[in-house]
Amino acid sequence: AQSVAQPEDQVNVAEGNPLTVKCTYSVSGNPYLFWYVQYPNRGLQFLLKYITGDNLVKGSYGFEAEFNKSQTSFHLKKPSALVSDSALYFCAVRDIKAAGNKLTFGGGTRVLVKP
Amino acid sequence: SAVISQKPSRDICQRGTSLTIQCQVDSQVTMMFWYRQQPGQSLTLIATANQGSEATYESGFVIDKFPISRPNLTFSTLTVSNMSPEDSSIYLCSVEGATGSSYNEQFFGPGTRLTVL
Repeated sequence: AQSVAQPEDQVNVAEGNPLTVKCTYSVSGNPYLFWYVQYPNRGLQFLLKYITGDNLVKGSYGFEAEFNKSQTSFHLKKPSALVSDSALYFCAVRDIKAAGNKLTFGGGTRVLVKP
Repeated sequence: SAVISQKPSRDICQRGTSLTIQCQVDSQVTMMFWYRQQPGQSLTLIATANQGSEATYESGFVIDKFPISRPNLTFSTLTVSNMSPEDSSIYLCSVEGATGSSYNEQFFGPGTRLTVL
């Protein structure tokens, strides 16, 4: 079975400050990991993914995430947050040994960036 | 990435009726999926839409309630049957393996916001 935990329902940060959104996962095999963002009344937008290779992956809009196998984490980061980054962020995992390409999503973290 | 459209974008329906949601992709894709996002919650996979064969449903979802069609590599429909207020959700289509895209990442449509009265 595969699962994802996003321990924070909401993260508040001032504009210009670093932003971190936490994610931990559980899979029986090796993981594929993803971050998506959802703006109000819109679908999910893909931000970045970890498949293999460098543990630090860079994605859209200045976001990056670091894969940490020992801590089973894949935290999303942005060095300097913008007000426009305010949205709902989802972490997702796929077990590469599992059939069907099923994605399991975390509960989501709402990010509020204040001016 | 693929461009994905869904119809309708939103609807308000009476209980006991059915609604069919369409998902259209601008290129051929290998895999198509249907998710449900209940108010204030995360996404839950309903089923994988298989081209030319029956959909593969996740635990808790059944074909009689959520029949799915996928007649070709660019189109799928999800029907929400005999609706109740508990079916009020956003329904999202996603695709993987679009022409020119790498595998492993899914791209999502804009969603269909369903309200059942």
